[in-house]
Amino acid sequence: DTAVSQTPKYLVTQMGNDKSIKCEQNLGHDTMYWYKQDSKKFLKIMFSYNNKELIINETVPNRFSPKSPDKAHLNLHINSLELGDSAVYFCASSQDSTNTEAFFGQGTRLTVV
Amino acid sequence: AQTVTQSQPEMSVQEAETVTLSCTYDTSESDYYLFWYKQPPSRQMILVIRQEAYKQQNATENRFSVNFQKAAKSFSLKISDSQLGDAAMYFCAYLYNQGGKLIFGQGTELSVKP
Repeated sequence: DTAVSQTPKYLVTQMGNDKSIKCEQNLGHDTMYWYKQDSKKFLKIMFSYNNKELIINETVPNRFSPKSPDKAHLNLHINSLELGDSAVYFCASSQDSTNTEAFFGQGTRLTVV
Repeated sequence: AQTVTQSQPEMSVQEAETVTLSCTYDTSESDYYLFWYKQPPSRQMILVIRQEAYKQQNATENRFSVNFQKAAKSFSLKISDSQLGDAAMYFCAYLYNQGGKLIFGQGTELSVKP
C-alpha cells in the first residue's frame, strides 16, 4: 500500500491549459503539503493544509489553487499553464503541522510545451 | 528568515569509503529539527536521518551519522562504508515549526564509484 500517492506521475500539456494533480494519503495524517522542485532540483514549499484548512500559502501565483475535499486528499489545480510551471510537484503529509516526519509522494513531473 | 545552505553541488566517493556532506543553516530559533533526505533517480524523497536541536547527542542510523554543531549552525552527514545504492541527491532540511514546512538546501549530488 502506497502511503502518499499522486496521480498522474507524468503530465505533458500545452501552454494555456488547465490541469490538476491529485494526492491521497492513507496514513491518517492531519497535515498535507505541496512542494515544487524546479529544474535545478531546488525544493520549495507551496502550500500546507491542516485538517482541510490552509495554513501555509507561500508566494505562489494565484493560478495555483489547492483544494482539500477531506483530510486524506489534497489536490493541486493549475490554470493557464506557463512554460515556467514545468517542474516536479511533490505532495507530502505529516501527522500534524508540528510533526517531525513528512512522508512524500513519488512526485508528478509536469512538462509544459 | 531561516535558510539552509549546501555548498557542495557534487561529491564523489569510492565504494566502501566514507564521505561527509556539508550543510549550514541560519535560524534565530533555539528549538528545531534538522533532516537529511535522499532522492535517488526514482525521484522518491526518503528520510535518511533526523536531529533534534535540543539533543546534544548526534543522531545515527546504521551507516549514516550526523555531526551537529549547534553554535556553528552546522549539520553534516557522514556516510560510512559507501554503497552503490547510496548514489543520489542528498538534501539537508530545516523544519520550520509554523505550519510544519521544510526548508531545503540546494542539494548535493553524490556519486559512488565501484
